[in-house]
Amino acid sequence: DGGITQSPKYLFRKEGQNVTLSCEQNLNHDAMYWYRQDPGQGLRLIYYSQIVNDFQKGDIAEGYSVSREKKESFPLTVTSAQKNPTAFYLCASRPQGTNSPLHFGNGTRLTVT
Amino acid sequence: GNSVTQMEGPVTLSEEAFLTINCTYTATGYPSLFWYVQYPGEGLQLLLKATKADDKGSNKGFEATYRKETTSFHLEKGSVQVSDSAVYFCALSWTGANSKLTFGKGITLSVRP
Repeated sequence: DGGITQSPKYLFRKEGQNVTLSCEQNLNHDAMYWYRQDPGQGLRLIYYSQIVNDFQKGDIAEGYSVSREKKESFPLTVTSAQKNPTAFYLCASRPQGTNSPLHFGNGTRLTVT
Repeated sequence: GNSVTQMEGPVTLSEEAFLTINCTYTATGYPSLFWYVQYPGEGLQLLLKATKADDKGSNKGFEATYRKETTSFHLEKGSVQVSDSAVYFCALSWTGANSKLTFGKGITLSVRP
């Protein structure tokens, strides 16, 4: 079955450490997205990529980095520069340049202490 | 810029009650409109969509009509079930090379038996 896989589901880190969240899709979608979800704030866009080896900052990119070396993969690194990293992170994808709906993974809940 | 405004929550209803969740948008032109649903601990799933004025999206007993004159896309269901308890997000999107979704803040629906 096609879909988006995010791993792990729960992730715990100490403050000051970088951590990388995985996102893999086998839907052959060109565009991929990372969102952060916090209670009462909805979804906020961190980074997105329309094509391999290219990506753009979203609304809250500070303290995050991404790479897009393969079409199927769009990992997100939460760096120590991110002031409030504890959140639920959602990865999504869709065909490039269309109004097709986003397909979402099941998310990774990151807790930094 | 584009924005989506959802009614404040949370909403608590008894089973078989009528549901309305308001959504209005601000945008230039005619974007596509979506409702997504998020069940506990999961990512978002597309519930329904409408791509032009007066279109009605429907799925699983839910309906929403794209109202250009009131820039609204209110979600309705005639008789809710306990299994409808979830967070509901309204969103808009454009066609284009850098298209991305703009989400509302989401509203939590709890349905009591």
